[in-house]
Amino acid sequence: GNSVTQMEGPVTLSEEAFLTINCTYTATGYPSLFWYVQYPGEGLQLLLKATKADDKGSNKGFEATYRKETTSFHLEKGSVQVSDSAVYFCALYTGTASKLTFGTGTRLQVTL
Amino acid sequence: NAGVTQTPKFQVLKTGQSMTLQCAQDMNHNSMYWYRQDPGMGLRLIYYSASEGTTDKGEVPNGYNVSRLNKREFSLRLESAAPSQTSVYFCASSASTGVSSYNEQFFGPGTRLTVL
Repeated sequence: GNSVTQMEGPVTLSEEAFLTINCTYTATGYPSLFWYVQYPGEGLQLLLKATKADDKGSNKGFEATYRKETTSFHLEKGSVQVSDSAVYFCALYTGTASKLTFGTGTRLQVTL
Repeated sequence: NAGVTQTPKFQVLKTGQSMTLQCAQDMNHNSMYWYRQDPGMGLRLIYYSASEGTTDKGEVPNGYNVSRLNKREFSLRLESAAPSQTSVYFCASSASTGVSSYNEQFFGPGTRLTVL
């Protein structure tokens, strides 16, 4: 079956530090890949997506590249801000039963 | 536009009690979903409704029932709550359940349910 593995959190960084959150996946077929963000007390919001190999999704300074050879979709940001503190979920979609498969989430805390 | 709204925000139940979680969307979306979020488990799909009048089981449907009341509303019912159903419940909606392409799912703010 499909699965998504994310690095364990929490990740604590100082403001302006470089961020990487690792995500690898197992899927049948050719999934679309996503990063969702959940700010405190809110629902999930789509942060970025990539629908085919070598695509790079980007939004709000975050980037992730769909790497089919390593089955990975790592999230990166060059300089994090306190406002980026949230839980980040990697997810995949194969079109089967309308189902998004989520990773367990990685909590990011950014301090001044 | 309110997007996806959920009520209540918080609820505490005793084992065996029943309750209905309400969800509504104002984006004219065809498809709606119920997820639960548990620590260390990510989000798991409970039920979904591809269109008005249809519902289908997701990954973890046991202990739940759903009703797609109309295009806007999709409710989740716990008939006899159990402590294992303590979780945060999210409703989501999307334009459709496209097979060949993904239609973005928009999430509500969640309902935090505790079953004692």
